[in-house]
Amino acid sequence: DTAVSQTPKYLVTQMGNDKSIKCEQNLGHDTMYWYKQDSKKFLKIMFSYNNKELIINETVPNRFSPKSPDKAHLNLHINSLELGDSAVYFCASSQYTSGGPSVETQYFGPGTRLLVL
Amino acid sequence: AQSVTQPDIHITVSEGASLELRCNYSYGATPYLFWYVQSPGQGLQLLLKYFSGDTLVQGIKGFEAEFKRSQSSFNLRKPSVHWSDAAEYFCAVNNNDMRFGAGTRLTVKP
Repeated sequence: DTAVSQTPKYLVTQMGNDKSIKCEQNLGHDTMYWYKQDSKKFLKIMFSYNNKELIINETVPNRFSPKSPDKAHLNLHINSLELGDSAVYFCASSQYTSGGPSVETQYFGPGTRLLVL
Repeated sequence: AQSVTQPDIHITVSEGASLELRCNYSYGATPYLFWYVQSPGQGLQLLLKYFSGDTLVQGIKGFEAEFKRSQSSFNLRKPSVHWSDAAEYFCAVNNNDMRFGAGTRLTVKP
């Protein structure tokens, strides 16, 4: 039933490790996003994919690499984790409309809480 | 620069009291406006959105918001707050990419 799901829900790991977060949506949407929410609750977009192609790539370290095997999945791989990567990562999805991305409502997953020690 | 501002970091209201959460935006044209709610430990849930038409929009859970172009505002309101409304509320603006405000944390007193 879950529209946008993420795994894992919690991730605790050591500095320097490589980890992945998975996202799946069953809404039939063709656009997916990754957001980072920092400790002050500020939400910032990281990536946007439309039909498996990268659309938005905000200024994030290249240690972060999104991968979209199909339009229902957008995974986030993080290399060489740093303390500052600790945050909540949200996946979202939306459906393309003729009105453009501005009118597309984004639906969010429950978030993955990443803690780097 | 384009921005979304939620002036109130934290608001406390008594259960049953009315609520207004403020949101101001700074964009060249009328953007598309959203309010999301994030309950503790949860993801974001869409409360309501404004694209065009009637400037007073109704959302879920008894919330409404009014778009005022002259004030560049999109304030969220609820006539009577319930304890379960305690959460973080985010205003967002979409002008080809989604920008969120810093959030307003709502505490509800018994």
